Amino acid sequence: NAGVTQTPKFQVLKTGQSMTLQCAQDMNHNSMYWYRQDPGMGLRLIYYSASEGTTDKGEVPNGYNVSRLNKREFSLRLESAAPSQTSVYFCASKVGTSGGGKQFFGPGTRLTVL
Amino acid sequence: DQQVKQNSPSLSVQEGRISILNCDYTNSMFDYFLWYKKYPAEGPTFLISISSIKDKNEDGRFTVFLNKSAKHLSLHIVPSQPGDSAVYFCAASRDGSSNTGKLIFGQGTTLQVKP
Repeated sequence: NAGVTQTPKFQVLKTGQSMTLQCAQDMNHNSMYWYRQDPGMGLRLIYYSASEGTTDKGEVPNGYNVSRLNKREFSLRLESAAPSQTSVYFCASKVGTSGGGKQFFGPGTRLTVL
Repeated sequence: DQQVKQNSPSLSVQEGRISILNCDYTNSMFDYFLWYKKYPAEGPTFLISISSIKDKNEDGRFTVFLNKSAKHLSLHIVPSQPGDSAVYFCAASRDGSSNTGKLIFGQGTTLQVKP
């Protein structure tokens, strides 16, 4: 099992450009999440999908959109990148659709917006 | 408003000694807590968790203590090893079928274990 995979690992964008971060999991998990990590801020939830076909906003959704393509894949799109979106992005998944339980994280995508 | 706080950005301990990492939370609705460990350039990995029905959970060298009245949890690592050097995040969520399992993370504490 590869677990949670993310592509790309690194990306540099210019302000105003768009891009999609890809995430896939092979653990047959129901819930998937996108976080961003900034220095001194911990991880903050951008969007999540509790089950296939549903998506909801997290703490910091502005400037992002998501697509739960199928049970395995959950993508994050930046339509018009801004320097404030420079961050490390982590995708995570969890087996249940609700409640507590540990989340499994991917290796991250380091994004720089110039 | 930071609902989960780790007030110590860093901690340095000697190999073989105990490491104690602390975490405070403000939302009394949180009832499930987790600790994650993160090495540079990697994603966080799950370490240990505790439900609010317990006040202690152990897994090998790692023990998490929960004090609900103080809204405080701590992670004890005994004995500490150089390989434990990493950033540690505490996280909180609400259990139960009506909750989505979203995690709220603290800012992280960087642990350095010196040989």
